[in-house]
Amino acid sequence: DTAVSQTPKYLVTQMGNDKSIKCEQNLGHDTMYWYKQDSKKFLKIMFSYNNKELIINETVPNRFSPKSPDKAHLNLHINSLELGDSAVYFCASSNSVGELFFGEGSRLTVL
Amino acid sequence: LAKTTQPISMDSYEGQEVNITCSHNNIATNDYITWYQQFPSQGPRFIIQGYKTKVTNEVASLFIPADRKSSTLSLPRVSLSDTAVYYCLVGLYSSASKIIFGSGTRLSIRP
Repeated sequence: DTAVSQTPKYLVTQMGNDKSIKCEQNLGHDTMYWYKQDSKKFLKIMFSYNNKELIINETVPNRFSPKSPDKAHLNLHINSLELGDSAVYFCASSNSVGELFFGEGSRLTVL
Repeated sequence: LAKTTQPISMDSYEGQEVNITCSHNNIATNDYITWYQQFPSQGPRFIIQGYKTKVTNEVASLFIPADRKSSTLSLPRVSLSDTAVYYCLVGLYSSASKIIFGSGTRLSIRP
């Protein structure tokens, strides 16, 4: 039973399109995140939600819009995709002692 | 936020003990040290966390000197399946949102 699951795993799309990535966690955690891992493998936090409330919004273009319908879900919508958006996007959640649990990632390729 | 420095890559052989050292000279009093492991095409996975001296679990040991300005992750008798990227992170115990991932150490294990 997958703890943090995200879909789709692969996404190939054209520049200018809009796409969404969904994430769900069944661990009962209050806090969820979106991370971006670029081609150089640096993992950068994008957003953090606690109980459906946005608590961290790093310097990310406003084309990226997270949405948390409930504390078990955190979706990421990206408008007007650009070449530089190509990366692996990881969803994660954390427990009360700060341990992060990651999904398997969603590889986005913008052509 | 404390910055970490670790070797970009390391090589070793099956059956050997591998030690990966991380420098964190400006670690704060309340910061914990956490290590994550990332396999290709997967999200990072928590390995071990500690505050001082030594911590051991079924996977690894973590050695932290008295000044806490560095730490060493020790993997006993590695196997090919330990080939991965290892991230050293420093941050508040209960605040995963403030933890920053560095570039990690790419560990390659050979037969």
